[in-house]
Amino acid sequence: ETGVTQTPRHLVMGMTNKKSLKCEQHLGHNAMYWYKQSAKKPLELMFVYSLEERVENNSVPSRFSPECPNSSHLFLHLHTLQPEDSALYLCASSQRASGRTNEQFFGPGTRLTVL
Amino acid sequence: GNSVTQMEGPVTLSEEAFLTINCTYTATGYPSLFWYVQYPGEGLQLLLKATKADDKGSNKGFEATYRKETTSFHLEKGSVQVSDSAVYFCALSEGGGADGLTFGKGTHLIIQP
Repeated sequence: ETGVTQTPRHLVMGMTNKKSLKCEQHLGHNAMYWYKQSAKKPLELMFVYSLEERVENNSVPSRFSPECPNSSHLFLHLHTLQPEDSALYLCASSQRASGRTNEQFFGPGTRLTVL
Repeated sequence: GNSVTQMEGPVTLSEEAFLTINCTYTATGYPSLFWYVQYPGEGLQLLLKATKADDKGSNKGFEATYRKETTSFHLEKGSVQVSDSAVYFCALSEGGGADGLTFGKGTHLIIQP
């Protein structure tokens, strides 16, 4: 595997289900991100992890719960979602360093549908 | 706060036409600027970047110049191909730390043969 991978690629779930999205980066980076991409809206940053610590949480509802067990893996745990949470969820990674451009590398995304 | 504004489209062009997609930004500091491209069913791929004023980023025939005086980073290509059909996103980042990118809404480009 190379780059950033995400599983599953597609997920359909009911509002009472619990599921998890997985992201893995094979680039040796030290920061990882979750973004939400909805139709007709800019990509929204959800969570940032740097050196496995969460550094930003943009007022995301608590039904989304991130987990970063190590620098290569990032999870997004989902529970009691709403239909408006249906979107493409993108994972990204970058190498955090002072004076370095924050160039982020994205995975292919998980297309989530909440019924 | 930071923001990015770009033409939303869809933009429809014939093959070999000249392309311009406008992008302007608002930032409190001196950001790095990026163009990403998203092909159908895929994630975002970095197309080009520029880190300081007057820098020109280029890749695959696409170019964009960081214009601080007009806070712009317009994407251009001299002769587009059908394979360039995709959604293009302008984005900025203010730090070398673990900052999220601020994106525009994306411009859907359709190239007709």
